[in-house]
Amino acid sequence: DQQVKQNSPSLSVQEGRISILNCDYTNSMFDYFLWYKKYPAEGPTFLISISSIKDKNEDGRFTVFLNKSAKHLSLHIVPSQPGDSAVYFCAARGGPNAGGTSYGKLTFGQGTILTVHP
Amino acid sequence: EAQVTQNPRYLITVTGKKLTVTCSQNMNHEYMSWYRQDPGLGLRQIYYSMNVEVTDKGDVPEGYKVSRKEKRNFPLILESPSPNQTSLYFCASSLTAGTTYEQYFGPGTRLTVT
Repeated sequence: DQQVKQNSPSLSVQEGRISILNCDYTNSMFDYFLWYKKYPAEGPTFLISISSIKDKNEDGRFTVFLNKSAKHLSLHIVPSQPGDSAVYFCAARGGPNAGGTSYGKLTFGQGTILTVHP
Repeated sequence: EAQVTQNPRYLITVTGKKLTVTCSQNMNHEYMSWYRQDPGLGLRQIYYSMNVEVTDKGDVPEGYKVSRKEKRNFPLILESPSPNQTSLYFCASSLTAGTTYEQYFGPGTRLTVT
């Protein structure tokens, strides 16, 4: 039972254009949603997060949108740069109401490979 | 420099030969976790630890053991590795379970079991 899903294994965009990465979830007990970026031969690095009580969070070129009714979040990168080429993981965190061992636990999506062409 | 370190980075071993992957963090974090990354499956949690001497199973604990005798170290033990444990492994830490939205990952250990 995949509680967090990234349905697009890959995305290719031109430099300067917008990249939109999508993520769907099923569990309403998640209290934070996060995006991690991963380069080859490195560990994932935190990119941006959003609390479940917000619908938008912006940090420079990166904006995350949360649609709770649709249980959907997206990451927008504007403008995209070749250095943004990486694997992007969406993750969701079990909140205080998740109960027991799920509190604080991160559940990850499958990842999306973003390639930004010069 | 604040960091999570893992050793070894690469390991090729044979079925049944016990191995340990070490993980250490220098940030005085209470919460530590092990994940494995497999194609099409993302990162899945193997074990986690809320604090010293407190460990619990994640989503895929079969075939693995952990220990947390000191706050900074969280080794992953494969008593009898099998080929289906060939994977990319990550250790991660955060200040507490309440702050896992700020989780720091190690560089990864690529394990091949033949």
